[in-house]
Amino acid sequence: QQPVQSPQAVILREGEDAVINCSSSKALYSVHWYRQKHGEAPVFLMILLKGGEQKGHEKISASFNEKKQQSSLYLTASQLSYSGTYFCGTVFQTGSARQLTFGSGTQLTVLP
Amino acid sequence: DTEVTQTPKHLVMGMTNKKSLKCEQHMGHRAMYWYKQKAKKPPELMFVYSYEKLSINESVPSRFSPECPNSSLLNLHLHALQPEDSALYLCASSQIYRSTDTQYFGPGTRLTVL
Repeated sequence: QQPVQSPQAVILREGEDAVINCSSSKALYSVHWYRQKHGEAPVFLMILLKGGEQKGHEKISASFNEKKQQSSLYLTASQLSYSGTYFCGTVFQTGSARQLTFGSGTQLTVLP
Repeated sequence: DTEVTQTPKHLVMGMTNKKSLKCEQHMGHRAMYWYKQKAKKPPELMFVYSYEKLSINESVPSRFSPECPNSSLLNLHLHALQPEDSALYLCASSQIYRSTDTQYFGPGTRLTVL
């Protein structure tokens, strides 16, 4: 079951903040965040693990609420280079499942 | 170096053609993946290879045939495709097939089926 991302799209001015949310109806083991620019490969940003361990990338941070089965990606003081589509990828706690299931994506546009 | 390379970048083929997509990584990763991505949609998993063995086949039609000749190479053989198979095909790799491992994606092959 695909995780749900919100918002679907957001437009910001350079220097503004944004939050992207990812929620699942199934228990999660880990959440992976990727950014994809048009015509390019998805680029790994961050992974959040059950138990609270967090890894980061650049100046972007994230949280993982295991009880609510939700993750949020925080982009502060956004830069033009932050523009792209952000996907969360979830790994569910079901048996030996290890594959990523991606959310529908959030298109972020940062304007000068 | 965290690079995954894919060839060709673009491919146009007819429904009766046979073609192959190629993916290569030299990071020593032992898990490799094929994803299909339609415009404005997320990547959808097709196949997973772990230690050169097929681990996951997400009910993909037999006109797509994966092959992992060695730990660095992954191929996707295409035969008798349909126009709805037109999409961006992404290859990815990770250290091993594990829920906590980062997947590194290649730039993709944009496939058009006429």
